[in-house]
Amino acid sequence: QKEVEQNSGPLSVPEGAIASLNCTYSDRGSQSFFWYRQYSGKSPELIMFIYSNGDKEDGRFTAQLNKASQYVSLLIRDSQPSDSATYLCAVKSGPGAGSYQLTFGKGTKLSVIP
Amino acid sequence: DAGITQSPRYKITETGRQVTLMCHQTWSHSYMFWYRQDLGHGLRLIYYSAAADITDKGEVPDGYVVSRSKTENFPLTLESATRSQTSVYFCASSTLTGTDGYTFGSGTRLTVV
Repeated sequence: QKEVEQNSGPLSVPEGAIASLNCTYSDRGSQSFFWYRQYSGKSPELIMFIYSNGDKEDGRFTAQLNKASQYVSLLIRDSQPSDSATYLCAVKSGPGAGSYQLTFGKGTKLSVIP
Repeated sequence: DAGITQSPRYKITETGRQVTLMCHQTWSHSYMFWYRQDLGHGLRLIYYSAAADITDKGEVPDGYVVSRSKTENFPLTLESATRSQTSVYFCASSTLTGTDGYTFGSGTRLTVV
């Protein structure tokens, strides 16, 4: 069974700080990694994706991937109260049956304190 | 409107009744998915479809039925609703390669009493 693990939190950071969200996955054949943001009562919204080892930056967000350690993270710089949400890590397997399926972690709840 | 829409947004039904949740997307995405989201369990895949007339079970399919006669529609039917099916249901769609992840509908909050 493919598993994606996240710390459920809540993770509390002061406004302006860096929030660090972590995710580990069990399937070594995983090839695509996604971060979704979900506000309370809303649907998940894709904010970042990463396929290659290393860092990928988009505005205040940086996704980091280490396939050897089966670890992916999301950094949010200059955190704002509007970043308060649950962040879902999702992993897609490599080529083959079910390769289009995403496996989701249970999410980390982030609270940015003004 | 372009996008993926779900209906209804809220539904209350009684135990034993049949209920259908609707999902419609305008992008002609090949893949469509139904998830349920429950506290403590996260998002769990119920059924998915790779194309019209092709569907398959996900992690928690029992008690649910799907069909996909047209690419744009992917309804989910609870044949005989039970209280354990009280949940928030999300429909999602994706391109053939899925390199852009999934796009989710706004969800249906279903309560079975």
